[in-house]
Amino acid sequence: AQSVTQPDIHITVSEGASLELRCNYSYGATPYLFWYVQSPGQGLQLLLKYFSGDTLVQGIKGFEAEFKRSQSSFNLRKPSVHWSDAAEYFCAVGGVDSSASKIIFGSGTRLSIRP
Amino acid sequence: DAGVTQSPTHLIKTRGQHVTLRCSPISGHKSVSWYQQVLGQGPQFIFQYYEKEERGRGNFPDRFSARQFPNYSSELNVNALLLGDSALYLCASSSRAISYNSPLHFGNGTRLTVT
Repeated sequence: AQSVTQPDIHITVSEGASLELRCNYSYGATPYLFWYVQSPGQGLQLLLKYFSGDTLVQGIKGFEAEFKRSQSSFNLRKPSVHWSDAAEYFCAVGGVDSSASKIIFGSGTRLSIRP
Repeated sequence: DAGVTQSPTHLIKTRGQHVTLRCSPISGHKSVSWYQQVLGQGPQFIFQYYEKEERGRGNFPDRFSARQFPNYSSELNVNALLLGDSALYLCASSSRAISYNSPLHFGNGTRLTVT
C-alpha cells in the first residue's frame, strides 16, 4: 500500500539556521509529491510540488525540496529559517488512485524555532 | 477573493447524534474534497466531488456521506457519531477534477468534538 513516512515528529532549530525535514514514500511508480504547511488553527497551504522534470523544486517562502528516486525521498529544505516558519509540515503523495484526487499525507513534523 | 469557507468552526456533539458540516469552495472551483485530521496525525481523504458527482471515496464507513450542490458548495454528513469521529474536518477545493494536478486550497476546518 502507498504510504508516506515523516520520521521526525518534532524538530527545533535556531532562527537563522538551516533546516531539512525528511520524507520517504512508498509507491511503485513515480508519484506526485507535495509539501504542505499548517499553522495553528488554520488549514493547509501548499509549499511546493513535484510532478516530473528537474528533481530540485522551488517553492514559496524560500523552501525547496529534492526528489531522490533511489532513496524514495522528498526532503524539504530551507537555508535560513525565520520565527514565522514555526508550524506543522506535511509531506504528501498523490496520483495513487487514478479515479480520484486522493492525496496521502504523512503524520507531520512540528517545527519549533529557537530565538 | 474569498478562500474556502467552512461552517461551523467548532461543534460539540454527543455519541449517536448526527452532524452536518458545510463548505463553500473558491469561486470558479468545481471540485471539493473532504479530509479528516485526527489530533497528531496527517489529514485522511474522505471524499471528492466534482461537478456534483462523487469522484472518489476514502476508507471510511457508510456513516459518512457527502453531496455537492449546483453552486458547488458541499456538505459532509456523519451519522451515529462515535468518540473516534472527534477531529478537524478540512474541506479543499480545486479547479480541476484531478486535484493533485492542480493546487488544493484548504479551508480552516471544522473542529468536531464528540462527547
